[in-house]
Amino acid sequence: DAGVTQSPTHLIKTRGQQVTLRCSPKSGHDTVSWYQQALGQGPQFIFQYYEEEERQRGNFPDRFSGHQFPNYSSELNVNALLLGDSALYLCASSLLPGRYNEQFFGPGTRLTVL
Amino acid sequence: QQQVKQSPQSLIVQKGGIPIINCAYENTAFDYFPWYQQFPGKGPALLIAIRPDVSEKKEGRFTISFNKSAKQFSLHIMDSQPGDSATYFCAASPPPLTQGGSEKLVFGKGTKLTVNP
Repeated sequence: DAGVTQSPTHLIKTRGQQVTLRCSPKSGHDTVSWYQQALGQGPQFIFQYYEEEERQRGNFPDRFSGHQFPNYSSELNVNALLLGDSALYLCASSLLPGRYNEQFFGPGTRLTVL
Repeated sequence: QQQVKQSPQSLIVQKGGIPIINCAYENTAFDYFPWYQQFPGKGPALLIAIRPDVSEKKEGRFTISFNKSAKQFSLHIMDSQPGDSATYFCAASPPPLTQGGSEKLVFGKGTKLTVNP
């Protein structure tokens, strides 16, 4: 049973560029959440997708956007990259209905902005 | 505003010791408290979780103690091993919305645990 997968593993961009990160949820899961983890910090919630719609959003600017596809996979897009966007971006999936709020994380995409 | 405060920032114990990591929360709406373990280069993995209707939960060598009145919870690792060396995160979330789905997790800043042989 494949867990949560993310691509690419690593990415290097320059300021002002745009980036797209991808996530495939754990088999059978229908909800995808994205988190940003800065070095030495805990993950911070960006947004969550369910039924192809953004269901809730954390305190992130509109430069961060996303999408969920009919097969439940998801993309995170970041426009006009800033140096401060350098972080590990984590995707987590969960199931509705399912075990209470249990979220499974992928290995993450390490984004470096130069 | 940090809603979940975690301590200590780092912890070193000898093999067989019982490291204890503490978390405190502010939002009384939180009702799900998971602990995650993260190894370098990997995503967080769910270790154990608790809800406020119980004061303690054990799974293998991992135990969560929960004090609802104090708004605190802690992770104990029994008979710690060098393989337990990792960063541990506590988290909290409110109950799911009526429409269903998971609620966002609010994480602590993490505790880097080192277990020496």
